[in-house]
Amino acid sequence: GAGVSQSPSNKVTEKGKDVELRCDPISGHTALYWYRQSLGQGLEFLIYFQGNSAPDKSGLPSDRFSAERTGGSVSTLTIQRTQQEDSAVYLCASSSWDRGQDEQFFGPGTRLTVL
Amino acid sequence: AQSVSQHNHHVILSEAASLELGCNYSYGGTVNLFWYVQYPGQHLQLLLKYFSGDPLVKGIKGFEAEFIKSKFSFNLRKPSVQWSDTAEYFCAVNAAGATNKLIFGTGTLLAVQP
Repeated sequence: GAGVSQSPSNKVTEKGKDVELRCDPISGHTALYWYRQSLGQGLEFLIYFQGNSAPDKSGLPSDRFSAERTGGSVSTLTIQRTQQEDSAVYLCASSSWDRGQDEQFFGPGTRLTVL
Repeated sequence: AQSVSQHNHHVILSEAASLELGCNYSYGGTVNLFWYVQYPGQHLQLLLKYFSGDPLVKGIKGFEAEFIKSKFSFNLRKPSVQWSDTAEYFCAVNAAGATNKLIFGTGTLLAVQP
């Protein structure tokens, strides 16, 4: 079966522009996560969705970042008015829900470069 | 707040050498512990995980990790590394029963020389 897919694989944008990153989780997975991987910062949690519950947005670095998950499947991470410090690889993961003990399956990531 | 420390940022070993990568976490409650690996050009994938029971857990490709609660540690080991183990290794933790979000360490880049 297909794994987690993300698009685009690479995105170059100018400072101040908005960008949208897409994630298609593994079919049937109820939990979806966004992380950011940047040099010197490692992997940082951004947001996660679990079923119909309110998302955990505690990792979003500023109000320029938002995410939604439509129909319990596809998710879009939006960054408004991008800044150079937003340059990173944005990773999406999905899992079935098993009280936090489940394996998260990661996508290939979207490499965002803000000029 | 939870945090994870990986003390070795870059490790270089020769094939057949033994490996131990350190991981310490900071959290007062019960945790679930994970090691993920990212091979060059590939996705992050799970190596092994610990939830409860035997503190020595075995994962894929001959890796194992030992949970020492008193030391808040979950070190990764492999008795004899291969060139194909060259990758970046990430330790991660979540608060058991509370949330599924993973807190990752900054990663250890392992280079195995043939």
